Amino acid sequence: NAGVTQTPKFQVLKTGQSMTLQCAQDMNHNSMYWYRQDPGMGLRLIYYSASEGTTDKGEVPNGYNVSRLNKREFSLRLESAAPSQTSVYFCASSEVATFSNQPQHFGDGTRLSIL
Amino acid sequence: SQQGEEDPQALSIQEGENATMNCSYKTSINNLQWYRQNSGRGLVHLILIRSNEREKHSGRLRVTLDTSKKSSSLLITASRAADTASYFCANSGGGADGLTFGKGTHLIIQP
Repeated sequence: NAGVTQTPKFQVLKTGQSMTLQCAQDMNHNSMYWYRQDPGMGLRLIYYSASEGTTDKGEVPNGYNVSRLNKREFSLRLESAAPSQTSVYFCASSEVATFSNQPQHFGDGTRLSIL
Repeated sequence: SQQGEEDPQALSIQEGENATMNCSYKTSINNLQWYRQNSGRGLVHLILIRSNEREKHSGRLRVTLDTSKKSSSLLITASRAADTASYFCANSGGGADGLTFGKGTHLIIQP
């Protein structure tokens, strides 16, 4: 049982390059999330999708875009990468949105370095 | 930022001892959750306590919640080397907008 799968696991980019981080879940969850984790900062929410067809901004959305491709997949795009976006990116999913008292399931992260 | 705080930031104890870590948060919550993160891995959900609950147990884990003080604690009893990890509290304000995480406590269990 794969759970939440993120690709790639590691990536190095040059400033100004673009890339898309992929996330897929096989638990038939409705809600999906993208977080970034920086040293000493804990996890911060970038974007979320409460259900298929909807997306909303989180705490730190600037410089990112997302696409909820279908119920399984939720991608995060960096259009013009900046060194400040060097971080570990985590995708998560939950059966329904958090107000229903559901835990979130996390992938193992994408470690992204912007030079 | 609405991030909460865990206390202590780092904790080192001997195997078999109990580990207690605390969490404070800033807003009203619908529930509070604790997660574990092993080095280089994603977060794993440990336990969820609702805002109308005061204490909850799961195996060697005991969580308390004091909404009047906006604080929670996680107790791990009879610690094992495999408990070495970072522990995060996260709260949900009741909206469909993800979780707000604290900065974590790094726990080291000495064999």
